[in-house]
Amino acid sequence: DQQVKQNSPSLSVQEGRISILNCDYTNSMFDYFLWYKKYPAEGPTFLISISSIKDKNEDGRFTVFLNKSAKHLSLHIVPSQPGDSAVYFCAASGVDDKIIFGKGTRLHILP
Amino acid sequence: DAGVIQSPRHEVTEMGQEVTLRCKPISGHDYLFWYRQTMMRGLELLIYFNNNVPIDDSGMPEDRFSAKMPNASFSTLKIQPSEPRDSAVYFCASIPGGDLGPYNEQFFGPGTRLTVL
Repeated sequence: DQQVKQNSPSLSVQEGRISILNCDYTNSMFDYFLWYKKYPAEGPTFLISISSIKDKNEDGRFTVFLNKSAKHLSLHIVPSQPGDSAVYFCAASGVDDKIIFGKGTRLHILP
Repeated sequence: DAGVIQSPRHEVTEMGQEVTLRCKPISGHDYLFWYRQTMMRGLELLIYFNNNVPIDDSGMPEDRFSAKMPNASFSTLKIQPSEPRDSAVYFCASIPGGDLGPYNEQFFGPGTRLTVL
């Protein structure tokens, strides 16, 4: 049973437009959420995180929104740039030390 | 700092052979994680250590998989005997620990691409 779900395997967005990546979770005990970015042949790198006491966290072009009632979070990238083409993983953590990752969404930024 | 180091970067072996993957975490990091990435299952946590002690190995798929951390600067993931379905990219990651515990961002190594023929 997947506790963290990224239902869109891929997404294509025009350069300069907004990219929105979505993530759903099932475990109400999760209280910290992270997004990681992964380029081919490299390990994932941390992008942005949010605590469950917040509903928004912003870092430059990246904003993460958390809707606890819907158990849903999203990552907004605006404006999208060619270097944003990568696989994005949503991850969640709870009372134990484990971080559960989703399967990832491949983002293609079109010129 | 060199970051998390993994070796080998690529490993091709035949079914039934023993495979050993190696990881050197970032110096001073208290936690070390082993992940496996496949198309079907995404990024799965296999096992993690805190201060060299295995804390949770519930993600280890079978008894054929074992992991050790003999000291703070080295960990191994062993598969014996290997099978074609073990083909995947295996990542090692570390975090500083401390008060933030698992809420620290994880620093991943570049991964080992394992192919079992």
